[in-house]
Amino acid sequence: DADVTQTPRNRITKTGKRIMLECSQTKGHDRMYWYRQDPGLGLRLIYYSFDVKDINKGEISDGYSVSRQAQAKFSLSLESAIPNQTALYFCATSDPGTEGQPQHFGDGTRLSIL
Amino acid sequence: AQKITQTQPGMFVQEKEAVTLDCTYDTSDQSYGLFWYKQPSSGEMIFLIYQGSYDEQNATEGRYSLNFQKARKSANLVISASQLGDSAMYFCAIGGGSNYKLTFGKGTLLTVNP
Repeated sequence: DADVTQTPRNRITKTGKRIMLECSQTKGHDRMYWYRQDPGLGLRLIYYSFDVKDINKGEISDGYSVSRQAQAKFSLSLESAIPNQTALYFCATSDPGTEGQPQHFGDGTRLSIL
Repeated sequence: AQKITQTQPGMFVQEKEAVTLDCTYDTSDQSYGLFWYKQPSSGEMIFLIYQGSYDEQNATEGRYSLNFQKARKSANLVISASQLGDSAMYFCAIGGGSNYKLTFGKGTLLTVNP
């Protein structure tokens, strides 16, 4: 089983719909992140959370919200989806006690908004 | 603010040869880390290697090594004895400061030819 699991893996939806992407991890890491990847732009940070009570905006948080339900769960919501939010979304985790704190990624969610 | 520049949109290498993927960075942090990730066509992000800014020796992980030149602000990835399975997108990233958020470059697409 994957250490960082994202659901769904693929989603097609319509403009204006509310969407939730979920992430769960079995790595026991305190820190969790949400990124989006657009062609030619690399990965950009949407939100990050260092523990259940600590949630922070990233580079491109407008139009998104998050919820850290437990140490192992971090959800990303699009309240009213728009077509330019079509992208590949990644959840990641890291352990501040590990040298370098490398982030470990889920397999991604491909989201298409029509 | 941190910035990563990957100047090679695409690279080609013959199987069994070595290849160097370029990465330069800019940061105002005194302590930082440099990372390389691999993204195959299947889409997942795989952590490859980490170099700390105070590490005097270049990091190595199997066939991967990181050629760290601090004065030049470069952190090139060297892959030795390329394999067909190395064909993928490669991203350089930097993290630093109190929160160690990652900033990614736009990536280099490596193609290994038989």
